Amino acid sequence: NAGVTQTPKFRVLKTGQSMTLLCAQDMNHEYMYWYRQDPGMGLRLIHYSVGEGTTAKGEVPDGYNVSRLKKQNFLLGLESAAPSQTSVYFCASSYSYGTPRYEQYFGPGTRLTVT
Amino acid sequence: QQQVKQSPQSLIVQKGGISIINCAYENTAFDYFPWYQQFPGKGPALLIAIRPDVSEKKEGRFTISFNKSAKQFSLHIMDSQPGDSATYFCAASMFGPYTGTASKLTFGTGTRLQVTL
Repeated sequence: NAGVTQTPKFRVLKTGQSMTLLCAQDMNHEYMYWYRQDPGMGLRLIHYSVGEGTTAKGEVPDGYNVSRLKKQNFLLGLESAAPSQTSVYFCASSYSYGTPRYEQYFGPGTRLTVT
Repeated sequence: QQQVKQSPQSLIVQKGGISIINCAYENTAFDYFPWYQQFPGKGPALLIAIRPDVSEKKEGRFTISFNKSAKQFSLHIMDSQPGDSATYFCAASMFGPYTGTASKLTFGTGTRLQVTL
């Protein structure tokens, strides 16, 4: 049981380039989330999904797109990277209801630098 | 607008001491308050959580104290150990588990705890 995995672990992009971050979970969770973590700002929700084929905007969605074609995968895309998107990106997943089943499980993160 | 305010930003505690991290929230609809622990290079992991129907929850050396009227909650780490050195995030959400909607967590800005020997 690998939990939540993220690919790649590190990436350097030039301004204007595009890329896709992949998140996979093997816990059969309904909900999946993408966060960014910046110094002094905690974790901020970018987009989330409550099930296969559905996505919704979070707190800071501009400049990002997401897709959830399969229940176990959640993709985060940057169409035209900007230096302001330099950050550490975390994916998380959770069951849809109930405590303690509600806990969000986080991946190890992707460190992205945009030059 | 920051809905969950966390303090202090950093904290140094001697081994065996008590670490205290405080959070305050604004949205009275919040009804689920977890704390996450993050080690360098790792993703956050749930440490302990509380619902507002109780004023305190204890799990081992970790205790959450909750004050609904003041809209504040805090994490206490008793007998702090060097292995507790990490960044701690408080969070809050509207639990709403049965509506089928995602309960989005709003995180505080984090507290970097260092426990010295």
